[in-house]
Amino acid sequence: EAQVTQNPRYLITVTGKKLTVTCSQNMNHEYMSWYRQDPGLGLRQIYYSMNVEVTDKGDVPEGYKVSRKEKRNFPLILESPSPNQTSLYFCASSLWSGRAREQFFGPGTRLTVL
Amino acid sequence: DAKTTQPPSMDCAEGRAANLPCNHSTISGNEYVYWYRQIHSQGPQYIIHGLKNNETNEMASLIITEDRKSSTLILPHATLRDTAVYYCIVARNRDDKIIFGKGTRLHILP
Repeated sequence: EAQVTQNPRYLITVTGKKLTVTCSQNMNHEYMSWYRQDPGLGLRQIYYSMNVEVTDKGDVPEGYKVSRKEKRNFPLILESPSPNQTSLYFCASSLWSGRAREQFFGPGTRLTVL
Repeated sequence: DAKTTQPPSMDCAEGRAANLPCNHSTISGNEYVYWYRQIHSQGPQYIIHGLKNNETNEMASLIITEDRKSSTLILPHATLRDTAVYYCIVARNRDDKIIFGKGTRLHILP
């Protein structure tokens, strides 16, 4: 089954404790992206990747890092999480950047930073 | 990206057609209209997109006006599972990111 998976689905952590949210897709998609969703602010893009070893900032990249060492994986790294990073996070992928709009989204990761 | 305007919420009776409008009066010639939906706290789901011709797939139909300043997403026989927030997005096909607005919260009434 074609899908985007994220782990963990739920995470409660404390300020400053480094964490990684994994994202994996099995569709051989070139384009991958991370979003966060907050009440009243909608979905905002954090980082995106057009292909392996190619990443770029989205609208709200501060406090986040990403890497794209393999085509299927696009982990989101919070080196020193803070409470304002409490949010619902979505990973997405699409066939290539020319069709970046037809994105497949993962199920989401709900992160709470205390 | 051109901005879009959608009603914040709509109701539709189960089994009837749900018609969701979207205004995009500043759309450029090379910008597409995309529709996504998000069922409560799940990841958004791509529905359909079009440039100027009307489009139909297994989920919905997209009607774009001749001047391309507005469009309507049609769910032909709405079910309770269609209750979701529907996002209308206008963007060039080559852009690397898309901007989700506030969308329309569609309630399907039994």
